[in-house]
Amino acid sequence: SQQGEEDPQALSIQEGENATMNCSYKTSINNLQWYRQNSGRGLVHLILIRSNEREKHSGRLRVTLDTSKKSSSLLITASRAADTASYFCATVFAGGTSYGKLTFGQGTILTVHP
Amino acid sequence: DTEVTQTPKHLVMGMTNKKSLKCEQHMGHRAMYWYKQKAKKPPELMFVYSYEKLSINESVPSRFSPECPNSSLLNLHLHALQPEDSALYLCASSRSRETGELFFGEGSRLTVL
Repeated sequence: SQQGEEDPQALSIQEGENATMNCSYKTSINNLQWYRQNSGRGLVHLILIRSNEREKHSGRLRVTLDTSKKSSSLLITASRAADTASYFCATVFAGGTSYGKLTFGQGTILTVHP
Repeated sequence: DTEVTQTPKHLVMGMTNKKSLKCEQHMGHRAMYWYKQKAKKPPELMFVYSYEKLSINESVPSRFSPECPNSSLLNLHLHALQPEDSALYLCASSRSRETGELFFGEGSRLTVL
């Protein structure tokens, strides 16, 4: 079963605006990652945040992690039309036989209008 | 450009056919993965190989048979598939099963008639 739930399911914004996507998960994790997927293509890794980190930045991306609430958010600032894609959070289990297993959330479809 | 190469990009097969999907990486990664993705859904893990040994099988039907001939190659052998197996099959690799970042190929889009 899928570990993560994301909201919103779809987000439509204008170029230049910020986009925020949220992800919740259920079990203890080793790390949480965000990926982007353009339609019908492979996934591209965006950023990884470890369970002992609270915030991480990479270019126009800002990720937060709240392990007490089992949630994460991805903020894309100053969005561009090229950011139009599906965004998935993915969690890596902390232990047991599923150690290292990466499980994806349902995803958010982001549309950025020029 | 992805450093994980998947072939073929598109595959159409009948339910009685036998075909294979291939995946290759030359990044020295020691973990390789097969994911299945249906339209508008997240990728679902099928298999994980770690150091060329199968370490995770997510209860995948036996009509899907993975093979890891060496650390750079991963195959998925297909036999007696069903139309509901039509999907995008994604291969990925990572430095190890314990590290995070996965590198994905562009996928093989499979249609079962």
